[in-house]
Amino acid sequence: AQSVTQPDIHITVSEGASLELRCNYSYGATPYLFWYVQSPGQGLQLLLKYFSGDTLVQGIKGFEAEFKRSQSSFNLRKPSVHWSDAAEYFCAVGPPGAGSYQLTFGKGTKLSVIP
Amino acid sequence: DAGVIQSPRHEVTEMGQEVTLRCKPISGHNSLFWYRQTMMRGLELLIYFNNNVPIDDSGMPEDRFSAKMPNASFSTLKIQPSEPRDSAVYFCASSSTKRTGYEQYFGPGTRLTVT
Repeated sequence: AQSVTQPDIHITVSEGASLELRCNYSYGATPYLFWYVQSPGQGLQLLLKYFSGDTLVQGIKGFEAEFKRSQSSFNLRKPSVHWSDAAEYFCAVGPPGAGSYQLTFGKGTKLSVIP
Repeated sequence: DAGVIQSPRHEVTEMGQEVTLRCKPISGHNSLFWYRQTMMRGLELLIYFNNNVPIDDSGMPEDRFSAKMPNASFSTLKIQPSEPRDSAVYFCASSSTKRTGYEQYFGPGTRLTVT
């Protein structure tokens, strides 16, 4: 069965510093990969997704993620964090191609930003 | 363009009462998902529908939970009778299987408190 691991439960960074949130997955083939963000009291919003092709994908709000097949990882990065980025971030995987649409979510990483 | 709509946003009820949560998916989406989010267990998929048909309800905790999707624009999640351990945030999400890229779009959630 597929699984997603986000090893960091909570990360604190200073505003303006760079950020990397880790995500590792276990899957039989290369899955579809997603990063979502959840602001307090809100639903999850899609930041970016990877299906195939270029392993570096750009998302909204200045985020990017890199797929590394050899490491089964899909880490999220941002070069300069803003206070408004404080939220919880979820990595998710889904089976490639059409036919089944269930996503498996990681437990999430909570990001705190120090002014 | 309206996103996923959920109602109510907050629900407080007493143990033993019936609770009904409602969801209106994005127009044109043909898959709908109900999730439950708690601190202890994270985000759990309860059930998902494709073209109004329940495909996988293995995540429904027990017979007290039931979900329906009478048409493409409406779904309900019912808990009867409710118990304090049902307190959580319940999210509805929708997606389209008609094209590659089946990212899920989440509603704002219903925060349920059972006393």
